[in-house]
Amino acid sequence: EADIYQTPRYLVIGTGKKITLECSQTMGHDKMYWYQQDPGMELHLIHYSYGVNSTEKGDLSSESTVSRIRTEHFPLTLESARPSHTSQYLCASSEYRGSEAFFGQGTRLTVV
Amino acid sequence: AQTVTQSQPEMSVQEAETVTLSCTYDTSESDYYLFWYKQPPSRQMILVIRQEAYKQQNATENRFSVNFQKAAKSFSLKISDSQLGDAAMYFCALLQGAQKLVFGQGTRLTINP
Repeated sequence: EADIYQTPRYLVIGTGKKITLECSQTMGHDKMYWYQQDPGMELHLIHYSYGVNSTEKGDLSSESTVSRIRTEHFPLTLESARPSHTSQYLCASSEYRGSEAFFGQGTRLTVV
Repeated sequence: AQTVTQSQPEMSVQEAETVTLSCTYDTSESDYYLFWYKQPPSRQMILVIRQEAYKQQNATENRFSVNFQKAAKSFSLKISDSQLGDAAMYFCALLQGAQKLVFGQGTRLTINP
């Protein structure tokens, strides 16, 4: 079982609220990723990180922001949640280029 | 433009039979990596098999094998002796550049007992 954790697993929140989705890994991996996935559908890369203090935007434009102050922690923040943000968010990490990516269990976000 | 394309939204196979899932990709790089990941219902995504582009030999992992056609940019997954536990969404993925990992649309595989 991979040592990568996402909290919360489920979140229902009102429009306009600020939320932070947590992702932590204990494997010491430098590379971390955030994906957005609608049910039964493809994963869209929204952010990734090479290591501490390095973040990049992915292919899918997202209103979310990320930070990487510590190797093990890669939180994603939405300043003002909207119903269009309703989705599943998956966090992943990998050790080096080409190595297996380990995924968390995901956070299912519903904005009402 | 879609970088990784899986043209089969759904596939089904009889238990113990063989099934092949298709994937094509687009990249201008010569050194890259390809993966197949499995996402069982309500469970974590896990790696099925991995292929390094510079290796001509097709990767195999027990009942899972790939047909890697570099010139055609094709990377299909063959599952032999299908089992009920193989039922899942299967995603093809391409690692571009230093670490940009992008996925295809997914194929939902159903195993018929």
